[in-house]
Amino acid sequence: GAGVSQSPRYKVAKRGQDVALRCDPISGHVSLFWYQQALGQGPEFLTYFQNEAQLDKSGLPSDRFFAERPEGSVSTLKIQRTQQEDSAVYLCASSSGTAGTDTQYFGPGTRLTVL
Amino acid sequence: GQQVMQIPQYQHVQEGEDFTTYCNSSTTLSNIQWYKQRPGGHPVFLIQLVKSGEVKKQKRLTFQFGEAKKNSSLHITATQTTDVGTYFCAGNPGANNLFFGTGTRLTVIP
Repeated sequence: GAGVSQSPRYKVAKRGQDVALRCDPISGHVSLFWYQQALGQGPEFLTYFQNEAQLDKSGLPSDRFFAERPEGSVSTLKIQRTQQEDSAVYLCASSSGTAGTDTQYFGPGTRLTVL
Repeated sequence: GQQVMQIPQYQHVQEGEDFTTYCNSSTTLSNIQWYKQRPGGHPVFLIQLVKSGEVKKQKRLTFQFGEAKKNSSLHITATQTTDVGTYFCAGNPGANNLFFGTGTRLTVIP
């Protein structure tokens, strides 16, 4: 596709449920990033993939958060036993290279609301 | 830890007035990027600055990177209603991930 796509766009979960958020990066992009954006805040880094390898997961807030990119393209962010504080927009971004200077292209995000 | 602060948090201007947002990092940055996020939208890349003291212009937008590579600014001349949104700086300390600033929300009053 022309840009980064994410699904679902909106997700409402009851506290304690598991959720899975999908990201389709721009075709051929090596790097993929997940960010969490709380209301009124800037995006905060969660994790980074270079192809299928998860090179940095230092931003994941707890062991309830898990991300994968098994074939180096589509990525899934899974949140187990969701809590109200997990409510946020989850943004995925991809870039063509592996340098920190490469432009990151963001998807529309998934807005997660945990009741 | 890495912190990137922006001021002001909010700015209301009359259409035609100028606007400036300032970004300050607690550590030296490899580069700095600026993004614009419209209400309900996602961050859209505007520009990247790499060199100390670098200045870049995009039409009415002027971006600066400080000499010490720890601060940056975005100046918009003669704002228009299409400039409405939140402007984020994002610092790259040398790793792959970006540290986003707190953002400045710009409102332009017609």
